[in-house]
Amino acid sequence: DAKTTQPNSMESNEEEPVHLPCNHSTISGTDYIHWYRQLPSQGPEYVIHGLTSNVNNRMASLAIAEDRKSSTLILHRATLRDAAVYYCILRVVSGFGNEKLTFGTGTRLTIIP
Amino acid sequence: DAGVIQSPRHEVTEMGQEVTLRCKPISGHNSLFWYRQTMMRGLELLIYFNNNVPIDDSGMPEDRFSAKMPNASFSTLKIQPSEPRDSAVYFCASSNRVDNSPLHFGNGTRLTVT
Repeated sequence: DAKTTQPNSMESNEEEPVHLPCNHSTISGTDYIHWYRQLPSQGPEYVIHGLTSNVNNRMASLAIAEDRKSSTLILHRATLRDAAVYYCILRVVSGFGNEKLTFGTGTRLTIIP
Repeated sequence: DAGVIQSPRHEVTEMGQEVTLRCKPISGHNSLFWYRQTMMRGLELLIYFNNNVPIDDSGMPEDRFSAKMPNASFSTLKIQPSEPRDSAVYFCASSNRVDNSPLHFGNGTRLTVT
């Protein structure tokens, strides 16, 4: 599996934007970039995914570098409820349906009131 | 949509006992995943099924672990005999069998083996 590298932890002030970086220098052309987050005492939760173009949804935005070797998850206005561990994952799509997601260690995001 | 339902939420058992964890995926989903989470090893994929068929069980730690999916609405993960090092939170997740469909996770079963 191609690897991702994320900072172990980050802090951000409440109501400010948060940029969570992810490096994936060995990404292949068929790897999608997925982001999940895990709130305390809950299972992981899907946030967003993309291939080449930047993506937006109601939770966040995903900015993908032109060479695809890095990406950034953007929370536009952090709230205390966004405090979680954020995982950046590369997912291969094989044509046989869903393939497994391999989670790394993620970034623990702390929101300061 | 009730989400992925796991039972029990908490399980405490003694070493050597059999443990069965249960999962009901979201209706209509045909991929199911079992994960285990510990502080030391993080989230590990144990096994996943497509259309009730096990596709990859390379993450199952040893023969003491077994998983079944007898139908599209139910799966079990069994540990026999259990050991203290099996203590962890076990998550079940399901998704549509469509490329890049998100995984929907349950709230997990916290297993403690004494």
